[in-house]
Amino acid sequence: EPEVTQTPSHQVTQMGQEVILRCVPISNHLYFYWYRQILGQKVEFLVSFYNNEISEKSEIFDDQFSVERPDGSNFTLKIRSTKLEDSAMYFCASTLLAAEETQYFGPGTRLLVL
Amino acid sequence: KQEVTQIPAALSVPEGENLVLNCSFTDSAIYNLQWFRQDPGKGLTSLLLIQSSQREQTSGRLNASLDKSSGRSTLYIAASQPGDSATYLCAVRDTGRRALTFGSGTRLQVQP
Repeated sequence: EPEVTQTPSHQVTQMGQEVILRCVPISNHLYFYWYRQILGQKVEFLVSFYNNEISEKSEIFDDQFSVERPDGSNFTLKIRSTKLEDSAMYFCASTLLAAEETQYFGPGTRLLVL
Repeated sequence: KQEVTQIPAALSVPEGENLVLNCSFTDSAIYNLQWFRQDPGKGLTSLLLIQSSQREQTSGRLNASLDKSSGRSTLYIAASQPGDSATYLCAVRDTGRRALTFGSGTRLQVQP
């Protein structure tokens, strides 16, 4: 069964460093998302992406965050200058079409900022 | 702003019991509601999605209901098994938005 994959599974970085989290959505899906879950807290929406544009973003998704679909398969989340409070599990998700609403989630990347 | 609440926060039951997990949301203008399962340190597995026009959805031993006007959904698990032990998350998508708003989950432990 097709699934969303994410790399790396774990990443440790120093505060102020840039990180790029990578996702490969399900191959024929068209809508892509990033969510995060700080340890012990709710899953929070960051951004949605369709047709090479951001379609919606939350107040968390400020100028230090950016997303890109650099090729036909990858979807990336870049954090330009990491902060301690960026430590979280980051989930990528995708859906097929607007009419197919089920969001399929990847296994996540656990980011630790020291 | 949509708020999603799940009760109880934790639940422990013996194997074989039927159980109900509750989810409530503050804004009834939702497009759909999705139930997920999350195992410790893992991703989210979609269990059921209910469109706003639907009253319930079933998949195997799982049945989810939706009462949009009262802002409530329940997830019914029949004949629970130890393998059902996980955190169950409820998430709503508001009309006109793509984002899911999540509850904090119910941590279920099914004892053999």
